[in-house]
Amino acid sequence: GAGVSQSPSNKVTEKGKDVELRCDPISGHTALYWYRQSLGQGLEFLIYFQGNSAPDKSGLPSDRFSAERTGGSVSTLTIQRTQQEDSAVYLCASSSWTSGRANTQYFGPGTRLTVL
Amino acid sequence: AQSVTQLDSQVPVFEEAPVELRCNYSSSVSVYLFWYVQYPNQGLQLLLKYLSGSTLVKGINGFEAEFNKSQTSFHLRKPSVHISDTAEYFCAVIRSNFGNEKLTFGTGTRLTIIP
Repeated sequence: GAGVSQSPSNKVTEKGKDVELRCDPISGHTALYWYRQSLGQGLEFLIYFQGNSAPDKSGLPSDRFSAERTGGSVSTLTIQRTQQEDSAVYLCASSSWTSGRANTQYFGPGTRLTVL
Repeated sequence: AQSVTQLDSQVPVFEEAPVELRCNYSSSVSVYLFWYVQYPNQGLQLLLKYLSGSTLVKGINGFEAEFNKSQTSFHLRKPSVHISDTAEYFCAVIRSNFGNEKLTFGTGTRLTIIP
């Protein structure tokens, strides 16, 4: 079946502009995660959605970062007033849900963001 | 909190030789353990996982890993590597009985296969 998809695959923007990154999870997966991969910081958790629960935003690095998940499926990560340090690969993952148990996360191909 | 240590940032290996990529973790609660592989310019692909049961776990592409609770390790092994195994490998943990939450990753090991 179809895996996690992300768009765009590459995004080049100018410092100060806003960007939106999209993630389509695996059909039926109720959990959705955003991570960031950068040379200096490795793989970092950003935000996590589970069903209708309030998202876990504990990994968002600043208030310029926000994310939403519409209809329990597609998610959009928005970065406002981009800075050069925001340049990274943004990875989305999804998983199914079992009460009290962690489930395997499946990753998309990522969006490479370059801020000039 | 959990943490993962991958001591080897780069590992060069001759083709058809065996390889071991080391992973040690720290956690005050029980965890699930994962190895992900990232090929150049691609996302993360699940290689194998340990949830419970047998401590020797077999994954895709001939890789296997052994969970050692006393040594808090989850080393990845392959008896004979191929050029196509050139990639970056990430070890990760998640708390096992707390529902879905974030993965904590190691810093990765870049495996380079020498022809």
